[in-house]
Amino acid sequence: DGGITQSPKYLFRKEGQNVTLSCEQNLNHDAMYWYRQDPGQGLRLIYYSQIVNDFQKGDIAEGYSVSREKKESFPLTVTSAQKNPTAFYLCASSTSHRGRIGEKLFFGSGTQLSVL
Amino acid sequence: EDQVTQSPEALRLQEGESSSLNCSYTVSGLRGLFWYRQDPGKGPEFLFTLYSAGEEKEKERLKATLTKKESFLHITAPKPEDSATYLCAARRMDSSYKLIFGSGTRLLVRP
Repeated sequence: DGGITQSPKYLFRKEGQNVTLSCEQNLNHDAMYWYRQDPGQGLRLIYYSQIVNDFQKGDIAEGYSVSREKKESFPLTVTSAQKNPTAFYLCASSTSHRGRIGEKLFFGSGTQLSVL
Repeated sequence: EDQVTQSPEALRLQEGESSSLNCSYTVSGLRGLFWYRQDPGKGPEFLFTLYSAGEEKEKERLKATLTKKESFLHITAPKPEDSATYLCAARRMDSSYKLIFGSGTRLLVRP
């Protein structure tokens, strides 16, 4: 089945530690995204990538980093500079052609990150 | 500033009791208005895209409508399995990669 796989489902971060969230898709989509979801708030865009080896900051990129070395993979690193990392992190993908993205986003099942 | 506001925050219905969820938006040059369903601990699942005022789309017990200022998600004769959080999002004409999400409406349908 085609889809987006996020791992792990739950992740705990210690003070001063960097952690990496995995996102893999087999939908052959060019565009991939990372969103952060906090209780009572809308999803906020952290980073997005339109194509391999290229990515742009979203609205809340500070304290996060990404890479896009393969079309299928878009890992997110939450660095120690992110002082309030506890949230539900969602990876998504969409088609993209000549700068126009597809009608809908396909989301993974999310990673819940908590601070120890 | 672009904004998407959903109301109510939470809604409890009896099975079969129809109602509507509201999504108000202030977005310059709307390129699309999206509805997603999200179950607890899961990622959102796409429901509808609306592009112009007056447009309507239906899927089973759900119908989405769009005006120049707001969108409604009408739920007709809901069932307990319709319980979820419903998210609304808007895309601007000049920002194809960015969606502005509302905070969602948590719907609980009791049998």
